[in-house]
Amino acid sequence: NAGVTQTPKFRILKIGQSMTLQCTQDMNHNYMYWYRQDPGMGLKLIYYSVGAGITDKGEVPNGYNVSRSTTEDFPLRLELAAPSQTSVYFCASSHLAGAGTDTQYFGPGTRLTVL
Amino acid sequence: AQSVTQPDIHITVSEGASLELRCNYSYGATPYLFWYVQSPGQGLQLLLKYFSGDTLVQGIKGFEAEFKRSQSSFNLRKPSVHWSDAAEYFCAVVGAGSYQLTFGKGTKLSVIP
Repeated sequence: NAGVTQTPKFRILKIGQSMTLQCTQDMNHNYMYWYRQDPGMGLKLIYYSVGAGITDKGEVPNGYNVSRSTTEDFPLRLELAAPSQTSVYFCASSHLAGAGTDTQYFGPGTRLTVL
Repeated sequence: AQSVTQPDIHITVSEGASLELRCNYSYGATPYLFWYVQSPGQGLQLLLKYFSGDTLVQGIKGFEAEFKRSQSSFNLRKPSVHWSDAAEYFCAVVGAGSYQLTFGKGTKLSVIP
């Protein structure tokens, strides 16, 4: 049971490039989330999904896209990378239906730098 | 809108000393409250959570937190800190029916041997 896995661990992008951050969980959780963490700012929710085929925006969705074709996978897409997207990205998942009250399990993060 | 304030950016304590990390929240109704810990280069791990009932909740690694509605606080405590507790600690709140955890900015804990 690996929990939540994220790839890559590190990535450097040039402005305007695109990339996909991968997230997979093996706990059969319905709920999955993408956060970004900027220094001294805590975590902010980018997108979340309540099940395969269903996604919704969080607090800071601009510049990102997501899809959820399977229960296990929840990739985050950056289409036109900008320096403001330099951050550490965390994927998380939770089990229970109903709000965010269940424990969220976090992946180890992807550190992205846009130059 | 819900919000969380962690007043202390960085705290340093000696190993064996007691610890209290402060968290104040803003939310119109009864909130669901969490404390997470993040070790360097790692993701977040849940320490404890409060939904209802007993206002003193016990968590992993010897941590506890007390919900005080009158003070809108959910402070994290540990009676004796170990060097391995050095990490960053985040308080978070979510409202009923919401999917969005709102995190505080975190408190970095350093432990002096």
